[in-house]
Amino acid sequence: EVQVAESGGGLVQPGGSLRLSCVVSGFTFSSYGMNWVRQAPGKGLEWISLISSSSSATYYTDSVKGRFTVSRDNAKNSLYLQMNSLRAEDTAVYYCARLNYGDYGHFEYWGQGTLVTVSS
Amino acid sequence: EIVLTQSPATLSLSPGERATLSCRASQSVSDYLGWYQQKPGQAPRLLIYDASNRATGIPARFSGSGSGTDFTLTISSLEPEDFAFYYCQQRAGWPLTFGGGTKVGIK
Repeated sequence: EVQVAESGGGLVQPGGSLRLSCVVSGFTFSSYGMNWVRQAPGKGLEWISLISSSSSATYYTDSVKGRFTVSRDNAKNSLYLQMNSLRAEDTAVYYCARLNYGDYGHFEYWGQGTLVTVSS
Repeated sequence: EIVLTQSPATLSLSPGERATLSCRASQSVSDYLGWYQQKPGQAPRLLIYDASNRATGIPARFSGSGSGTDFTLTISSLEPEDFAFYYCQQRAGWPLTFGGGTKVGIK
């Protein structure tokens, strides 16, 4: 059974930093690209970052470029999102999601999300 | 950026009725379009990938069609558990984008 679990969310002040983690099981982590997708309260879904299976490629949406960094540790079946210079508009539930085939495809498996609140 | 526009924003139907949801892309995405279902307090669930392929475990009442810029998700006969939000998503260009969503509510 595939399992995806995010952690690391919480309350942080504007300008602060937070590191999210995502641990997976039930599939060969090193064979799949992974993503972070967020959802602000009462709003729709927003893709923010993708990292390829071997970490050779990373992609970001413009609003987080230069502030967020995605990484992974295939030996630990773990995905990370380092978030710096946080803003109020970064407040959201952050989901970790696996692509459905290799480094391509749609978001097949999702965690339950972790809430990040940016507020003073 | 490829903008996805979903319509209608809200659809009010009764169980057993047919639901037809639309997603229009601002430029061609070929068939690189997926559909997700999300219920309150839950993570999204992949229903359809690459326009017309049902994801693992998705009932046959869900079907997807279209290519290029115009796509449709059809639920042939609504079950009580199908009342939810639905989002389309393209993987043809960066950044990956979602539509604004359609809420399927009980009439």
